Amino acid sequence: GAGVSQSPRYKVAKRGQDVALRCDPISGHVSLFWYQQALGQGPEFLTYFQNEAQLDKSGLPSDRFFAERPEGSVSTLKIQRTQQEDSAVYLCASSRGRAKETQYFGPGTRLLVL
Amino acid sequence: GNSVTQMEGPVTLSEEAFLTINCTYTATGYPSLFWYVQYPGEGLQLLLKATKADDKGSNKGFEATYRKETTSFHLEKGSVQVSDSAVYFCASEGFQKLVFGTGTRLLVSP
Repeated sequence: GAGVSQSPRYKVAKRGQDVALRCDPISGHVSLFWYQQALGQGPEFLTYFQNEAQLDKSGLPSDRFFAERPEGSVSTLKIQRTQQEDSAVYLCASSRGRAKETQYFGPGTRLLVL
Repeated sequence: GNSVTQMEGPVTLSEEAFLTINCTYTATGYPSLFWYVQYPGEGLQLLLKATKADDKGSNKGFEATYRKETTSFHLEKGSVQVSDSAVYFCASEGFQKLVFGTGTRLLVSP
């Protein structure tokens, strides 16, 4: 079956631009996660959805970051007024939803802010 | 909160050598523990996991045992191959989210 997909795979933005990153989770997966991976580092948690409810957004670095999952399936991570420090790989993962379930990751979107 | 510490790389080995990558964790309670692998140009893939103390996760010749007494989850493989060259991430699960280590790059030469 299809895995987690993300688009675009690469995004170059000028500082100050808004960007939107899309995640299509595995069909039927209840939980969806966003992580940020800086170069040479491990992924860091940004936010978590269960169906359409955003249950944890404690990892979002600033109010310029916003995520939504309006119908409990596809999710969009939006970054407003991008800064150079936002350059990273943004990873999406999904799981069936119960505690301790395995998270399956997409290929990521590599964002470069110039 | 939870944290994960893993050995810095790169780890450079010859084919058929024995591999150990150390991982220790701090956590409230007893989180599930994972090893993920990232091959060049690819996304994160689950390698193995363990959900409770003394569990052993295994896959593709890799093994790791959940040690509560030492708060460790070291990754081992008896005989590495060139195709095992990748970055390996240890992670713990707490309140649904994963906390990752910084990753260890493994380079295996023929």
